[in-house]
Amino acid sequence: SQQGEEDPQALSIQEGENATMNCSYKTSINNLQWYRQNSGRGLVHLILIRSNEREKHSGRLRVTLDTSKKSSSLLITASRAADTASYFCAPANRDDKIIFGKGTRLHILP
Amino acid sequence: KAGVTQTPRYLIKTRGQQVTLSCSPISGHRSVSWYQQTPGQGLQFLFEYFSETQRNKGNFPGRFSGRQFSNSRSEMNVSTLELGDSALYLCASSLGTSGGVVTDTQYFGPGTRLTVL
Repeated sequence: SQQGEEDPQALSIQEGENATMNCSYKTSINNLQWYRQNSGRGLVHLILIRSNEREKHSGRLRVTLDTSKKSSSLLITASRAADTASYFCAPANRDDKIIFGKGTRLHILP
Repeated sequence: KAGVTQTPRYLIKTRGQQVTLSCSPISGHRSVSWYQQTPGQGLQFLFEYFSETQRNKGNFPGRFSGRQFSNSRSEMNVSTLELGDSALYLCASSLGTSGGVVTDTQYFGPGTRLTVL
């Protein structure tokens, strides 16, 4: 099992700007997932990218994966107040258990 | 489809007591995982059940236990509560058909907020 490490720990941007969060991991993976958590609530799955994929889009979200650098990034374009949340990455191998990192706390300023 | 439900949503207990939390997965999901979230430790994996069997386990003491029923509903039990057990307990369900928990998308419940006094 392995833990993803999100960077930065916290990020504040103006509404309408783009937000980029990064995730690094240590060993080879089968896939990597990103989740969002609004304050005090459950996590919501955002996107899953497989190890043979380099980029994936979902609405205003864009996820990239660089297996050679063992890193992934999550880009949120045209941020909104509702995007204020903590974001977690979950790199994983088959049969591994998910170990979440501390997450990136994103705050969208009005 | 109804989402993952957890009961109760809030719970206050005193040290030394025990508590049972319940999780009902999405219909058709056979895997249920439990997590503990605290400000200091973040989100930590407790255990995962699939078809009534514990398939994965985190690094928690034996006071934390769980089980899964034939209808995939799961319960988590914490005995001899300590102050440090105060946390948000999240459960997540997934299809669990890929042979490993993390190849599936996990769907989280709203959590149970446990306060130990």
